[in-house]
Amino acid sequence: DADVTQTPRNRITKTGKRIMLECSQTKGHDRMYWYRQDPGLGLRLIYYSFDVKDINKGEISDGYSVSRQAQAKFSLSLESAIPNQTALYFCATASTSYNEQFFGPGTRLTVL
Amino acid sequence: RKEVEQDPGPFNVPEGATVAFNCTYSNSASQSFFWYRQDCRKEPKLLMSVYSSGNEDGRFTAQLNRASQYISLLIRDSKLSDSATYLCVVNPGEGNYQLIWGAGTKLIIKP
Repeated sequence: DADVTQTPRNRITKTGKRIMLECSQTKGHDRMYWYRQDPGLGLRLIYYSFDVKDINKGEISDGYSVSRQAQAKFSLSLESAIPNQTALYFCATASTSYNEQFFGPGTRLTVL
Repeated sequence: RKEVEQDPGPFNVPEGATVAFNCTYSNSASQSFFWYRQDCRKEPKLLMSVYSSGNEDGRFTAQLNRASQYISLLIRDSKLSDSATYLCVVNPGEGNYQLIWGAGTKLIIKP
């Protein structure tokens, strides 16, 4: 079984809809991250969390919110989706003592 | 200037050849460096961490040049399976866990 899972894997939605992307991990890592990837750009950090009570904004948090329900779960919400949020979204985890990040398979989101 | 810059490529290379990529970074205080590999429509996976003395893992060699603020990745005896996008990643500083990602260099190995 994959260590980091994301659901859904693909989603097409309409402008204005609320969307939630979910991430679960079995690696036992404290740190979790949400990124988006757009063609020609590097991964950009949306939010990150060092533990259940610690949530931090990343480079591009506007229009997004997150919830860290448990050590193993970190969800990303788009309260009112807009077309420029069409992207590939990745969840990642890292241990507290080493910077390597482990990624989920990604969610391809299309906002029409 | 972007914080981490890479030549987007694509680099079209015959199988068996040696290929090298460079990546430049703007923050001279950057602490640690990585190369990740990303296959088409897949998640990034760590290829190598880059140590100040340079490091080698089989056919792959990574080098760091702090004076010129670049890191490099050398792939020897390239295989068809090396075709992917290679992402340069920089940790900007002590206690800062927001990694800065380059946009990637696409490599295509041809038979």
